[in-house]
Amino acid sequence: AQKVTQAQTEISVVEKEDVTLDCVYETRDTTYYLFWYKQPPSGELVFLIRRNSFDEQNEISGRYSWNFQKSTSSFNFTITASQVVDSAVYFCALSAGSFQKLVFGTGTRLLVSP
Amino acid sequence: DVKVTQSSRYLVKRTGEKVFLECVQDMDHENMFWYRQDPGLGLRLIYFSYDVKMKEKGDIPEGYSVSREKKERFSLILESASTNQTSMYLCASLEAETGVQETQYFGPGTRLLVL
Repeated sequence: AQKVTQAQTEISVVEKEDVTLDCVYETRDTTYYLFWYKQPPSGELVFLIRRNSFDEQNEISGRYSWNFQKSTSSFNFTITASQVVDSAVYFCALSAGSFQKLVFGTGTRLLVSP
Repeated sequence: DVKVTQSSRYLVKRTGEKVFLECVQDMDHENMFWYRQDPGLGLRLIYFSYDVKMKEKGDIPEGYSVSREKKERFSLILESASTNQTSMYLCASLEAETGVQETQYFGPGTRLLVL
């Protein structure tokens, strides 16, 4: 069975602070994919990143960076110099096996105040 | 850009009513999915379809059915709505390509309130 755990229910920071959102996953498959999605107040899930299990290289995209560590089954997401527009619910998700179904974590609500 | 649209952003229905939620994608994707989102539970898969007229149960199919008569359209049906089906419903689609994990793209969601 696959499982994704986002232990942080809600995080509050002040603008310009750095913040890390944690994601821990479980799967017995050796080939799998990990995702992060952002859900702003409008409700639509916005795709942020996809990483496959064979690529542990960390990735940086502007103020966003992702740290994938197979040894700890974690795929953490860091926002540097947070902004109010970063306020949203962030979901980590895992896909393994057929039909490319996603298993989601429960989400982390990030509140960035001015 | 992939475009996934859902027929309504907000719906209010009464207990026992039959409810149709429509989802349309414009990218000729094979796979389509229906999720519901509830606070503290994240997104949970209700049903998915990997081709026209094909469907598979997800993790929480009870109380729901689906229809996929055309490739671009995937409908979620609540045969007899109940208050515990009050939720946010999200549709997603992705292109199926053997050996490659593609990205699911989501619609804007439908907030359903069952009274």
